[in-house]
Amino acid sequence: DAGITQSPRHKVTETGTPVTLRCHQTENHRYMYWYRQDPGHGLRLIHYSYGVKDTDKGEVSDGYSVSRSKTEDFLLTLESATSSQTSVYFCAIRPGTDLYEQYFGPGTRLTVT
Amino acid sequence: GQQVMQIPQYQHVQEGEDFTTYCNSSTTLSNIQWYKQRPGGHPVFLIQLVKSGEVKKQKRLTFQFGEAKKNSSLHITATQTTDVGTYFCAPGSGGSNYKLTFGKGTLLTVNP
Repeated sequence: DAGITQSPRHKVTETGTPVTLRCHQTENHRYMYWYRQDPGHGLRLIHYSYGVKDTDKGEVSDGYSVSRSKTEDFLLTLESATSSQTSVYFCAIRPGTDLYEQYFGPGTRLTVT
Repeated sequence: GQQVMQIPQYQHVQEGEDFTTYCNSSTTLSNIQWYKQRPGGHPVFLIQLVKSGEVKKQKRLTFQFGEAKKNSSLHITATQTTDVGTYFCAPGSGGSNYKLTFGKGTLLTVNP
């Protein structure tokens, strides 16, 4: 499974609290992505990274920030969680510039109450 | 990103029947990928299509890219219960900072 782990796998938090999700990869891939998946919306890109400290926004980036201080870790932060951010979050990696397929982590189910 | 319409949203078949899902775009696509997600699982890459009119096969799965590169299809011959899941198409943007835009998927259920 491309050596991708996500933590935590499940989390319940209250509205207004900060939350950080971690994506860790073991194979030094340059490109990493954060998606959210909701019924009726499929997978939507939140943020992505194309190198250490190099990140950019996706289509649903409002309310989220990311950081990548090391190649292997890509962090997604919800500064002040809202109920609309209840979702399943997937991290993905892309192996290289000539290979476009993405490989996904197992996902984090986040519930904001 | 490039938007696509995937149809149908849901398909229920008897085991052994064939299944097809379609992905349609109003604009020309540079390439398209297909993913499968089992219930409770994560998306898994199946295939990428790049060339106009391209056809690729993986056992019982046949993938096509339209001649105009505006549509694609996934056909499963003689479905099995292991084919259950949601199938997503995902056109890719060009350039080195490559991004995918996923369709909403087709959920396939198979009655044994």
